[in-house]
Amino acid sequence: NAGVMQNPRHLVRRRGQEARLRCSPMKGHSHVYWYRQLPEEGLKFMVYLQKENIIDESGMPKERFSAEFPKEGPSILRIQQVVRGDSAAYFCASLTTLRGLNEQFFGPGTRLTVL
Amino acid sequence: GQQVMQIPQYQHVQEGEDFTTYCNSSTTLSNIQWYKQRPGGHPVFLIQLVKSGEVKKQKRLTFQFGEAKKNSSLHITATQTTDVGTYFCAGGGSTLGRLYFGRGTQLTVWP
Repeated sequence: NAGVMQNPRHLVRRRGQEARLRCSPMKGHSHVYWYRQLPEEGLKFMVYLQKENIIDESGMPKERFSAEFPKEGPSILRIQQVVRGDSAAYFCASLTTLRGLNEQFFGPGTRLTVL
Repeated sequence: GQQVMQIPQYQHVQEGEDFTTYCNSSTTLSNIQWYKQRPGGHPVFLIQLVKSGEVKKQKRLTFQFGEAKKNSSLHITATQTTDVGTYFCAGGGSTLGRLYFGRGTQLTVWP
């Protein structure tokens, strides 16, 4: 059973370009969470999605950021017109509620660098 | 909004010494989870505590959840170099899976 997959692992963009980050949850998991981590900081919740639905996007900036989790294919976090402050590691996690736990399995992350 | 504070931010210990990190929430939590992140890696789930006053052990790691379900601690006995990494607590709120992460405690272990 493959773990959570994210690609690309590293992404370099110039200011003003678009960044598109992909996340494939573990097989059978339908809950996806996106987090942003700045260097030496904790993880900041951005958005929670289930298939075709955004459940909670309260942590996501109102402008330039969007997320989707289509019926088929990976979840996508899209950042338009990137700025230097968007440079960070972006992790997605998928959830299992088996054994009464709400355990989140994290992907390896995408490290975004904005030049 | 809900906040989870974690201290200390950094801890340097000699191998064999004990280590503790503390977590406090501004509100009552439905559960508390602990994750470990190695340098350059991603967070890995360690444990979840749900009950008030709960204590769980994993080998040299002891996890506690406070009676009021607003604070928690992780204690490592006799640290080893393999314990190096950042330990995060994450409080669960009302939304399924929505976690409020502490800033983490970065543990360095000197041989």
